[in-house]
Amino acid sequence: GESVGLHLPTLSVQEGDNSIINCAYSNSASDYFIWYKQESGKGPQFIIDIRSNMDKRQGQRVTVLLNKTVKHLSLQIAATQPGDSAVYFCAETVTGANSKLTFGKGITLSVRP
Amino acid sequence: KAGVTQTPRYLIKTRGQQVTLSCSPISGHRSVSWYQQTPGQGLQFLFEYFSETQRNKGNFPGRFSGRQFSNSRSEMNVSTLELGDSALYLCASTISGYNEQFFGPGTRLTVL
Repeated sequence: GESVGLHLPTLSVQEGDNSIINCAYSNSASDYFIWYKQESGKGPQFIIDIRSNMDKRQGQRVTVLLNKTVKHLSLQIAATQPGDSAVYFCAETVTGANSKLTFGKGITLSVRP
Repeated sequence: KAGVTQTPRYLIKTRGQQVTLSCSPISGHRSVSWYQQTPGQGLQFLFEYFSETQRNKGNFPGRFSGRQFSNSRSEMNVSTLELGDSALYLCASTISGYNEQFFGPGTRLTVL
């Protein structure tokens, strides 16, 4: 499959540990944020989203935290599994009919067995 | 429900040629966006089409163009290819008014 992880920072975690992936976003007007996961040879896959009127949202094994004061977003993955190995992107947008997603550079998560 | 499909999956072209990529959105989705993904620049927005009209455009030269058909299928065209156009081109669809975009697997374009 294609490699999309070249030149990206890498986070290496032990299987079973919790992972925290951080992202700094750029536009203070952004009010909707999404985390995507991209595996080799595939397009980005939606993980979890959060709107700016919230500071925390939980999904299955994942939690997203939003700090609007410092324009920071984080994705926490509980009990990281080998299948979580992928490139993770945060994306931001200002909601509206003409909104477009602006993606962060991405981080490669590598899970050690 | 079938996902977003893109054709072809892989393409090799030479400098100066042109290329057309195709995207079929999820049934019922009327908005289609295109992104370019490279190791150096990451994911960059190209343009978005809704109801056959381009309603948003990224910062790419005019060599990059697109269109959308009445069935919401979309094509993007790159003319006078340059080596730097080598990338993974991703298409995403969404129901208008929502921001969750569903991505296809991409077309890997290599320019020699």
